[in-house]
Amino acid sequence: SQELEQSPQSLIVQEGKNLTINCTSSKTLYGLYWYKQKYGEGLIFLMMLQKGGEEKSHEKITAKLDEKKQQSSLHITASQPSHAGIYLCGAGSTGTASKLTFGTGTRLQVTL
Amino acid sequence: ETGVTQSPTHLIKTRGQQVTLRCSSQSGHNTVSWYQQALGQGPQFIFQYYREEENGRGNFPPRFSGLQFPNYSSELNVNALELDDSALYLCASTIGHGISYNEQFFGPGTRLTVL
Repeated sequence: SQELEQSPQSLIVQEGKNLTINCTSSKTLYGLYWYKQKYGEGLIFLMMLQKGGEEKSHEKITAKLDEKKQQSSLHITASQPSHAGIYLCGAGSTGTASKLTFGTGTRLQVTL
Repeated sequence: ETGVTQSPTHLIKTRGQQVTLRCSSQSGHNTVSWYQQALGQGPQFIFQYYREEENGRGNFPPRFSGLQFPNYSSELNVNALELDDSALYLCASTIGHGISYNEQFFGPGTRLTVL
């Protein structure tokens, strides 16, 4: 079965600083999803990547999928308190159901 | 456009009881998936429904069952509740199924506590 490992597990950054979260898969990724979650709440869809080398940006968040499609990174530029939360990467499945396998998440705190 | 909604938001049950959680999919989405998220963990796939039929299941026992209705809304039923069933239950909707990497949108979740 596919496993996703996220690093770091937690991160504390000062407001205005840049940061990167990594997601590494034990198998080739077919559809990589990034979500943000506030504690105890639902997941907010950020971006989905499919093609090797693909890069997408939304506001100050950029996600990339490497050429070999086994690693993805999420980069936040000039972090703000509103970026605080748990970031989860999810891998799409090649089976009959479009299920997602998730990593354990990266908890981000942004200090003033 | 209406997003994914779930009810109730919180629920407290005792061991051995049964519970039903509800999900309304986003407008236009015909596929609903259910996930269980234990504290400090990523969501775990329970099962998926497409056109009112189960279309894939994760490693969960049969006491976890579901339904999908013609309007694509869905229910998750859990019988004989155990303490370990305490978790956040998330519903996600998308268009299509199988190897279709469409955006999947999640609801706010139902927090189930089993005492």
